[in-house]
Amino acid sequence: KAGVTQTPRYLIKTRGQQVTLSCSPISGHRSVSWYQQTPGQGLQFLFEYFSETQRNKGNFPGRFSGRQFSNSRSEMNVSTLELGDSALYLCASSPGRGTQYFGPGTRLLVL
Amino acid sequence: DQQVKQNSPSLSVQEGRISILNCDYTNSMFDYFLWYKKYPAEGPTFLISISSIKDKNEDGRFTVFLNKSAKHLSLHIVPSQPGDSAVYFCAASASTGAGSYQLTFGKGTKLSVIP
Repeated sequence: KAGVTQTPRYLIKTRGQQVTLSCSPISGHRSVSWYQQTPGQGLQFLFEYFSETQRNKGNFPGRFSGRQFSNSRSEMNVSTLELGDSALYLCASSPGRGTQYFGPGTRLLVL
Repeated sequence: DQQVKQNSPSLSVQEGRISILNCDYTNSMFDYFLWYKKYPAEGPTFLISISSIKDKNEDGRFTVFLNKSAKHLSLHIVPSQPGDSAVYFCAASASTGAGSYQLTFGKGTKLSVIP
């Protein structure tokens, strides 16, 4: 099976702009989670989607949002970008509980 | 409040010897634990997991031990190989209701295996 794919792999934006990241899960996986990785904070949970519904949300401001489509593909959006949003954004898919399989990530740099 | 802690930011081990990576947790609701390996600029790769009903799980060179009373788990790699050099993350999950299983990660331990 193909693994989790994320596009784009690298992105440069300026403060105040918005960005949309895309994730295609492993075929058959219905759960998609998003994480932010920064050097200081490690991997932090953003949100999880299952069957097009947000099932769980981490402690991030409302500027971070997401959605999931009927084919399980997911997007996350960050509006009004801040310098501190520079990070590696990781998507993970899961067939059910526990084990999540990660994509390669999207490296976002905000200038 | 950090619910999953990896207190050693780095570890160096000779090739062929055992690597032991440690992880402590505080949330007694965690019932599933995982280890991931991560190279720079890549996503984490799943290594091994253990349910709270077990105290040991083995997969080839990797063994995870869980001590529930101490809220401690460890990953043993035997024998260590240079290709094992990476950052290792411990993660834990607990059901948050409606079937959702959010992962909480430690901050990672950088393992260097010296040839």
